[in-house]
Amino acid sequence: AQSVTQLDSHVSVSEGTPVLLRCNYSSSYSPSLFWYVQHPNKGLQLLLKYTSAATLVKGINGFEAEFKKSETSFHLTKPSAHMSDAAEYFCVVSYGGATNKLIFGTGTLLAVQP
Amino acid sequence: DTGVSQDPRHKITKRGQNVTFRCDPISEHNRLYWYRQTLGQGPEFLTYFQNEAQLEKSRLLSDRFSAERPKGSFSTLEIQRTEQGDSAMYLCASSLVPMAGGQNEQFFGPGTRLTVL
Repeated sequence: AQSVTQLDSHVSVSEGTPVLLRCNYSSSYSPSLFWYVQHPNKGLQLLLKYTSAATLVKGINGFEAEFKKSETSFHLTKPSAHMSDAAEYFCVVSYGGATNKLIFGTGTLLAVQP
Repeated sequence: DTGVSQDPRHKITKRGQNVTFRCDPISEHNRLYWYRQTLGQGPEFLTYFQNEAQLEKSRLLSDRFSAERPKGSFSTLEIQRTEQGDSAMYLCASSLVPMAGGQNEQFFGPGTRLTVL
């Protein structure tokens, strides 16, 4: 079955330090990959997406992710965390087809300490 | 605001009651998706519409669930005879129909949080 695995349920960093949120996907054929962010009481917002173009994808708010086919990974990074980055982050895969339904990971809750 | 809206934002009901949620997608979007998110989990696909046609339903969507999109605009999701296990956040998303082999961004609403007592 198609799936995506987020390796950490909680990550805590200090403000100004780098962020790394890890994601691996199951590989049946070329997927589209996304990272969404969910702030409390707000809707899911797309951070970035990979759809078979450049393997290093830049998103909003300074986030980026690198698609590594050999490792079936799509880790999310940011050089310097800001307090406003505290939220839940979802790695998402879609295998296209007629539905284009999204398959979400279980989420990583990012805490940013002052 | 021209984003996806959902109503109500919160619903508390007693077990056995029926509930109905509404989703208004972005106006030019012809695809509409419903997802369910339980505590500590990521959202899971329930069903989707292209215009007024319901084209796929997940096995998660039991017979007590029904969704409609009568005029290809807003959609409703009804749960009959609610159970405590139905307690979750119900999310709606909309998108344009993607080109063949492509993938369009799905824009999410704020969700309806259902609590079944």
